[in-house]
Amino acid sequence: QVQLVESGGGVVQPGRSLRLSCEASGFTFSSYAMHWVRQAPGKGLEWVAVISYDGINKYYEDSAKGRFTISRDNSNNTVSLQMTSLRVEDTAIYYCVRMTTSATKIYGFDVWGQGTTVIVSS
Amino acid sequence: IVLTQSPGTLSLSPGERATLSCRASQSVRSEYLAWYQQKPGQAPRLLIYGASSRTTGIPDRFSGSGSGTDFTLTISRLEPEDFAVYYCQQYDSSITFGQGTRLEIK
Repeated sequence: QVQLVESGGGVVQPGRSLRLSCEASGFTFSSYAMHWVRQAPGKGLEWVAVISYDGINKYYEDSAKGRFTISRDNSNNTVSLQMTSLRVEDTAIYYCVRMTTSATKIYGFDVWGQGTTVIVSS
Repeated sequence: IVLTQSPGTLSLSPGERATLSCRASQSVRSEYLAWYQQKPGQAPRLLIYGASSRTTGIPDRFSGSGSGTDFTLTISRLEPEDFAVYYCQQYDSSITFGQGTRLEIK
């Protein structure tokens, strides 16, 4: 079945780095743009970054620019988020998300992983 | 684009009709507006895309409408499993979510 499984979360001190990974299965990974969305404890959803199906185009939410890097490996069906200079306010559940589009439509964020928790604390 | 959802919390009983609002700070093309449901401890689930199209497997008691800056999610007859938090999202200019509406049992 279609599935996204995140890993790599944990507890890290402010200023340190962490790399999140997401493994996709059950669909043709190389055909889809992939996103990271986060959710701070008790808060709403915040989009973080997107990478195009071929890895060429990448876009970031303002607070992630210059600190986070999204990448993908289509041969291994994985997308990653390298996070550096982490701040307390980066504490959140990080979701890997598929966005389905066609030539004429965008179908929204239709597949979500279960999330991986990042805690930034001294 | 800032999305403002109202009310923040909606208290209703099963069988009642729920109307959730999402207002955008500037016009959003309808094809770039979606709604999600999130239950405690779970990832969000896509309900509606393109403002009014239900995704596969979503019951027809869920409907979306609206255009420009005002969008609505309607649940015609609430079932016990519908009590959750609902988010609107736009992907017309970057990607943003509303702050959510909590639908609770009265």
